[in-house]
Amino acid sequence: GESVGLHLPTLSVQEGDNSIINCAYSNSASDYFIWYKQESGKGPQFIIDIRSNMDKRQGQRVTVLLNKTVKHLSLQIAATQPGDSAVYFCAENKVKAAGNKLTFGGGTRVLVKP
Amino acid sequence: DAGVTQSPTHLIKTRGQQVTLRCSPKSGHDTVSWYQQALGQGPQFIFQYYEEEERQRGNFPDRFSGHQFPNYSSELNVNALLLGDSALYLCASSSAGTDTQYFGPGTRLTVL
Repeated sequence: GESVGLHLPTLSVQEGDNSIINCAYSNSASDYFIWYKQESGKGPQFIIDIRSNMDKRQGQRVTVLLNKTVKHLSLQIAATQPGDSAVYFCAENKVKAAGNKLTFGGGTRVLVKP
Repeated sequence: DAGVTQSPTHLIKTRGQQVTLRCSPKSGHDTVSWYQQALGQGPQFIFQYYEEEERQRGNFPDRFSGHQFPNYSSELNVNALLLGDSALYLCASSSAGTDTQYFGPGTRLTVL
């Protein structure tokens, strides 16, 4: 079946270090992938997305890598800051003529240590 | 520019009751999706509305229904509430021309 999952449920990172959050997906027919950040008591916040025909995309302090061969997605956060502490979700977007839905994984909690 | 807004913020109901949650999409967006997020889990897709019609639905029973109004705002209705319906209900909006969905803060529903 379709699934989007994460390898590590919790990631502790020293402030200033780089963070890497991993995600595995099972459906190779998806159109693109998105990373969301969710802070406590808030809705998911869009971070960055990547199309299925791309391998890498960079944003401000973040980079998403897509390896379609092994169906693996990662989010790299450079110089992690205390404000980066949150739960991070990868999501798969399946776009159809009749609409598009997001399929989320279970999330990885990132804890930034001062 | 206002983002996605949802009301109410919190809601407490008892089993068997009915509930209506509301969502106003981000300015310029015409598509609204609803998700259920249980504690400690990722959001689960309920359904999506576009042009006032449900155009895609996830694996949720008919107790979950919705509506979209001409101004693109939307409601989620849940009938015959069960304890397992306790969750954070998220609304996301997008534009038909793009795929990115932006989420509101959610409505925390507690069923006792």
